[in-house]
Amino acid sequence: DADVTQTPRNRITKTGKRIMLECSQTKGHDRMYWYRQDPGLGLRLIYYSFDVKDINKGEISDGYSVSRQAQAKFSLSLESAIPNQTALYFCATSEVTETQETQYFGPGTRLLVL
Amino acid sequence: AQSVTQPDIHITVSEGASLELRCNYSYGATPYLFWYVQSPGQGLQLLLKYFSGDTLVQGIKGFEAEFKRSQSSFNLRKPSVHWSDAAEYFCAVGSYSSASKIIFGSGTRLSIRP
Repeated sequence: DADVTQTPRNRITKTGKRIMLECSQTKGHDRMYWYRQDPGLGLRLIYYSFDVKDINKGEISDGYSVSRQAQAKFSLSLESAIPNQTALYFCATSEVTETQETQYFGPGTRLLVL
Repeated sequence: AQSVTQPDIHITVSEGASLELRCNYSYGATPYLFWYVQSPGQGLQLLLKYFSGDTLVQGIKGFEAEFKRSQSSFNLRKPSVHWSDAAEYFCAVGSYSSASKIIFGSGTRLSIRP
């Protein structure tokens, strides 16, 4: 079984609709992240969470919100979807030691907003 | 400002030829560095990482990368590419701190000529 799972894998929605993307992990990591990927722009950080009670905005948080329901679950919501939120969305977790941090990615959710 | 630059958007090499993908970074603190690969329709898979020690690091699938502090570079190399190496490659840089974030480059797409 995959360590980081995302649901749904693909979604088509209409402008103005609310949509939630879910992420679950079995790695036991405290840190979780949401990124979006657009062609030619690489990955950009939307939100990140260092534990259940810690939520932080990334570089492109406008139009998004998140919920850390448990250590293993980190959901991303688009309250009112717009076409320029069409992208590939990745969830990631981090393994952290005193000297290292390594991220592990889910398979991605491809979102199309019409 | 912290940044990661992958100067080559798209590279095509012949199967069996050697490969070098470039990555340059600008980071105030002592960095740690990653290379990820993304196959079509897939998530990101960690190829290798550098945190400290030997500046030449070995990764999976026959890849290696060399950290050159004087050049602020972390180029990825493979002596002989295979058709299955066709994918998009991302360089990323981070620095451990209480507000740790990992920054990604915009990616280099690798095509393999038969």
